[in-house]
Amino acid sequence: KQEVTQIPAALSVPEGENLVLNCSFTDSAIYNLQWFRQDPGKGLTSLLLIQSSQREQTSGRLNASLDKSSGRSTLYIAASQPGDSATYLCAVSLTGNQFYFGTGTSLTVIP
Amino acid sequence: DVKVTQSSRYLVKRTGEKVFLECVQDMDHENMFWYRQDPGLGLRLIYFSYDVKMKEKGDIPEGYSVSREKKERFSLILESASTNQTSMYLCASSPHREATEAFFGQGTRLTVV
Repeated sequence: KQEVTQIPAALSVPEGENLVLNCSFTDSAIYNLQWFRQDPGKGLTSLLLIQSSQREQTSGRLNASLDKSSGRSTLYIAASQPGDSATYLCAVSLTGNQFYFGTGTSLTVIP
Repeated sequence: DVKVTQSSRYLVKRTGEKVFLECVQDMDHENMFWYRQDPGLGLRLIYFSYDVKMKEKGDIPEGYSVSREKKERFSLILESASTNQTSMYLCASSPHREATEAFFGQGTRLTVV
């Protein structure tokens, strides 16, 4: 069964720092990988989707990379802001109708 | 933009009650999902549906049932609510039979007392 791990579980950084969140998965035969943001008590908001044939995707200050062969993805956040404080989850999908989620990294950006 | 709407943000129910959680999506997606999210356990799949009247059990279906009578609506039913079903419930949808991009609703925080 696919297992998705996110390290660290929590991260605290001062405003303005660049940071990297990590996601690893055990089965490299994925269809795609998706990064989400979750604010406390709310649902998941999709940030970036990387198809299995792609190496990276960018949206504003966010850049996500994918290395299928090593089972890893990173989410890079440039020039962090207090509004970036949230939990970030990654999810992979295999061919079929299921997604596998990591347990998330809780990010706090200190003003 | 895709919109997935859950009928309630917060619900408080009594033990033994029958509870209905409703989810509607407006993008004609084939796939719909119900997850529960608990601290330290992450998201766990309860049920998913890939077409009208079709459903598949996820990892934790016990104590739950689902209904999909129309393509846009996927209902989660707690037949007899128990305190261990207190949780955040998240509905999601995605297009096509092979999972692509998932879109989530705003979540329902259910408390069973």
